[in-house]
Amino acid sequence: QVQLVQSGAELKKPGASVKVSCKASGYTFTSYVISWVRQAPGQGLEWMGWISPYNGNTNYTQKLQGRVTMTTDTSTSTAYMELRSLTSDDTAVYYCARDRAGLSDPWGQGTLVTVSS
Amino acid sequence: DIQMTQSPSSVSASVGDRVTITCRASQGISSWLAWYQQKPGKAPKLLIYAASSLQSGVPSRFSGSGSGTDFTLTISSLQPEDFATYYCQQANSFPHTFGQGTKLEIK
Repeated sequence: QVQLVQSGAELKKPGASVKVSCKASGYTFTSYVISWVRQAPGQGLEWMGWISPYNGNTNYTQKLQGRVTMTTDTSTSTAYMELRSLTSDDTAVYYCARDRAGLSDPWGQGTLVTVSS
Repeated sequence: DIQMTQSPSSVSASVGDRVTITCRASQGISSWLAWYQQKPGKAPKLLIYAASSLQSGVPSRFSGSGSGTDFTLTISSLQPEDFATYYCQQANSFPHTFGQGTKLEIK
């Protein structure tokens, strides 16, 4: 079955970077883009951007431009999201999702990133 | 950016009730709209895509309608497992913004 499995929870200090992985299985990795969405505690969903594993094209929300980098490794069917210069506002659960033509399904289980000194 | 506004922000209803949630886009998005259900501590789950297409495996009591700027999600007869938070998302243009969510609670 189609599945996305994310890396484990992270605790980071302000100013640090975090890299979250998302390993896909059960489908042809290069046939779908991977979207990243985050959710701060008790808040709604925030779309961060997406990457095409087929050609490496990316699209990031303007809010995170310059701090976020999304990459893929097609040899392992894994997508990565790196966020730099972390602040407490980046504390959230980060999700990856398989995406095509405006539908995201399925989603990974989520990765909690906590930014605290 | 396209702003997505959901109403109501929360609603209380009983098992068996019919519930409608609306989502309004700040500009036309054709039918590039999806609906997601999220339960506490879980990842969102796709219910509806392309405004009115039911995702495989989703019960037929869920339906979506609309195009342009105004959309609705209807649950025809609430079941206990439907109490959750619902989000709309537009995929017409980047960034693919979400609505703020509608929390569906048990009356």
